[in-house]
Amino acid sequence: AQSVTQLGSHVSVSEGALVLLRCNYSSSVPPYLFWYVQYPNQGLQLLLKYTSAATLVKGINGFEAEFKKSETSFHLTKPSAHMSDAAEYFCALRASYGKLTFGQGTILTVHP
Amino acid sequence: DARVTQTPRHKVTEMGQEVTMRCQPILGHNTVFWYRQTMMQGLELLAYFRNRAPLDDSGMPKDRFSAEMPDATLATLKIQPSEPRDSAVYFCASGPLSSDGYTFGSGTRLTVV
Repeated sequence: AQSVTQLGSHVSVSEGALVLLRCNYSSSVPPYLFWYVQYPNQGLQLLLKYTSAATLVKGINGFEAEFKKSETSFHLTKPSAHMSDAAEYFCALRASYGKLTFGQGTILTVHP
Repeated sequence: DARVTQTPRHKVTEMGQEVTMRCQPILGHNTVFWYRQTMMQGLELLAYFRNRAPLDDSGMPKDRFSAEMPDATLATLKIQPSEPRDSAVYFCASGPLSSDGYTFGSGTRLTVV
């Protein structure tokens, strides 16, 4: 069975501070992993993806994530938070046959 | 930019009525998903199509929900009869078979009163 666990349903940071959103996965096959962002009243937008190439993946808006097989993790980071980063973030795992499994989401709040 | 188009964006209906939501996937994408999003349950997979064939609809209440792809440019999700607990945002997503990820539509916000 495949699953995704996001640690922390809410994360709050100050503007300019490091953003760290945690994601752990369970998969019996090599995973494809994704981070999506959802702004209020909008659909999900792909931030970045890991597809078994480089373990450090860079995405849009200054976000990056590192795939660590030994820790079964794919945490999302950004060195300096901006007010516009406030949104809900979803980690997702794709099985080799294509089905996506999402984590429960983490709401990021950025304080001035 | 190519995008997934969902209609309607908002729907308010009375309990017991039929609801049909439509999705136009990106041209050339042969994988289509339907997800439901609620505060309590988060994102739930309802149905998954590949090359218009349903591969997984185990997340869908079979007695009232149905999902189809009459052709490659249209996916539909129907609820009959609708119930207040069906109130949610329904998302459609499409993608290729490669590992590029999926593109989501803007969703249909359904309210059943």
